Amino acid sequence: DVKVTQSSRYLVKRTGEKVFLECVQDMDHENMFWYRQDPGLGLRLIYFSYDVKMKEKGDIPEGYSVSREKKERFSLILESASTNQTSMYLCASSVASGTANQPQHFGDGTRLSIL
Amino acid sequence: GENVEQHPSTLSVQEGDSAVIKCTYSDSASNYFPWYKQELGKRPQLIIDIRSNVGEKKDQRIAVTLNKTAKHFSLHITETQPEDSAVYFCAASIRTGTASKLTFGTGTRLQVTL
Repeated sequence: DVKVTQSSRYLVKRTGEKVFLECVQDMDHENMFWYRQDPGLGLRLIYFSYDVKMKEKGDIPEGYSVSREKKERFSLILESASTNQTSMYLCASSVASGTANQPQHFGDGTRLSIL
Repeated sequence: GENVEQHPSTLSVQEGDSAVIKCTYSDSASNYFPWYKQELGKRPQLIIDIRSNVGEKKDQRIAVTLNKTAKHFSLHITETQPEDSAVYFCAASIRTGTASKLTFGTGTRLQVTL
């Protein structure tokens, strides 16, 4: 069974802080993704990575950056946290698509509050 | 970019009835359509998916249909049970290199009442 682990379930930070959200997967997946989930807006893609040190912007990358130094770990960074970044953050991973799209497997999420 | 619309936002059915959730997408290049179920406080879980070369797929009480011409797809749950109560998300995927980039709908909260 695929295991995607996010380091914190709940996190409270202050405006202006630099915040790190960590995600680890144990299935040797090539692709990793960061989403944020807000009521009435569904899941929106922030960034994704298809290989170590490779990253691509998703639909809402502003205010975020990512790091993928090892295949199993994908970090989301809020450079200077703001209150509008209060949200549920979900990490996901998938194998490389090859000739067909592959399903994404999600972690339990980190509920981040910025005060 | 891709835009996915999902309806209804809330759905209440009686146990044993059927439930239907509908989604439309905008980009004809989308070729993979997964459905996720998210129970309260839990992670989204894939329940069924369909690829663009297939019109219908069924897995026990769950089925998904795809109309590529009209750019819409639907989730059908038959003989609903209380444990089907959750938020359901549809998504459409465009392949970017070796990654499938998903665009999600806004979710449908399904309540199955006794």
